[in-house]
Order: sequence, then C-alpha cells, then structure tokens
Amino acid sequence: AQSVSQHNHHVILSEAASLELGCNYSYGGTVNLFWYVQYPGQHLQLLLKYFSGDPLVKGIKGFEAEFIKSKFSFNLRKPSVQWSDTAEYFCAVTSPSGYALNFGKGTSLLVTP
Amino acid sequence: NAGVTQTPKFRILKIGQSMTLQCAQDMNHNYMYWYRQDPGMGLKLIYYSVGAGITDKGEVPNGYNVSRSTTEDFPLRLELAAPSQTSVYFCASSFPSGSSYNEQFFGPGTRLTVL
Repeated sequence: AQSVSQHNHHVILSEAASLELGCNYSYGGTVNLFWYVQYPGQHLQLLLKYFSGDPLVKGIKGFEAEFIKSKFSFNLRKPSVQWSDTAEYFCAVTSPSGYALNFGKGTSLLVTP
Repeated sequence: NAGVTQTPKFRILKIGQSMTLQCAQDMNHNYMYWYRQDPGMGLKLIYYSVGAGITDKGEVPNGYNVSRSTTEDFPLRLELAAPSQTSVYFCASSFPSGSSYNEQFFGPGTRLTVL
C-alpha cells in the first residue's frame, strides 16, 4: 500500500525566510503527486501537481516542488514566505490507476511578521 | 461553476442520532470521494464512487453509508452517531483516473461534533 510521510509537523518561520517541506512516498510504480494547502477555516486548494515531464513543478503563489524519483521525494519549496502563507500543507500521492489520494499527515506552517 | 458544495457547514449531533451530509458538484466529474480529517492525522478516505450507481469502501468506512443516484450528488449517511465520528468531512470530485485530470477538487467541508 502507498504511504506518504511528511517530516515536519510544525514549522515556524519569519517573513522572507525560505521554506522547504519534505515529502516522501512509498510506491514503486508511476505516481501522480500533489501538494494541497489549507488556509485557516478554508477547504483544501491545489498548490501544484506532478504527473510527468519536468520534475521541477511550479505552482501558485510562488511555490515549487521537485520530484526526485530515486529518493521517492516531492519536496515543496518557496524562496521567501509571507505571513499569508500561514496554513497547513498536505502532500498526497496516487497512481494513475488509483481512485483516491493518500495524504500525508500535514505540516502546519506559521509565518511570523 | 460552483465547484463542489457541501451542506451543512456545521452540525452538532447527540450520540445515536443520524444525519446526512450533502455533497454536490457541477463539473460533470465521474469520481466523487468522502474524506474525514482529524487533527494531526491528515485525510482518510471513507467512501468513493466512480459513477452513478457505483460506490466502494475506502480506508475508514465503518459507521457510514453512501449512495450515488446521480452524477452530481454523493450524500454521506451517519446512522448511529458516535463521538469517534467527530471530525471535519470533506467531499471531493475528479475526472476518471488514468487521464491527466485526476486532480481532485474539494468542497468547503462539514464540521461535525458528536456529544
């Protein structure tokens, strides 16, 4: 069965700091990878996704992620965070023939002014 | 498009009561899903449906039932509410898997408390 591990459960950063959130998955086949964000009191929104092609994926709001197949990783990055990035971030994975997403437990990010 | 809509937004139930969480989507997606989100646990799949009349269990189906009579609607039924069902429930939908469009779109959630 697939599983998704997010290494950082709680992260606190100052504005303008750089962000990297780790995500590893356990599945040997072809996968689709996602990062979702959940702002306080809101529903999940897609930040970015990887299906195939360039392993460096750019998403909304300046976020990007790099798929490293050999490391089974899909880490999320942002060069300079803003207070408005305070949210919970979820990594998720599904195979192209899978029906549902397997989510990591999430990383809570707090950006302080 | 409204996307994925859910009602109600909040609900408090007493132990043993029953209720139905409503979910609708207007994107003509074949696939629909119900997840529950517990603090620090991510999202867990309860049930999913690949089309009208077809449903299947996910990871945590006990205590829940679903039906899918139309493409648009996918209600989730709690028959005998228990405190362990206190959670936030999210409905989602997507195009069929196997294409490049199995990105899931989520509704705003229903926060349920069972006392």
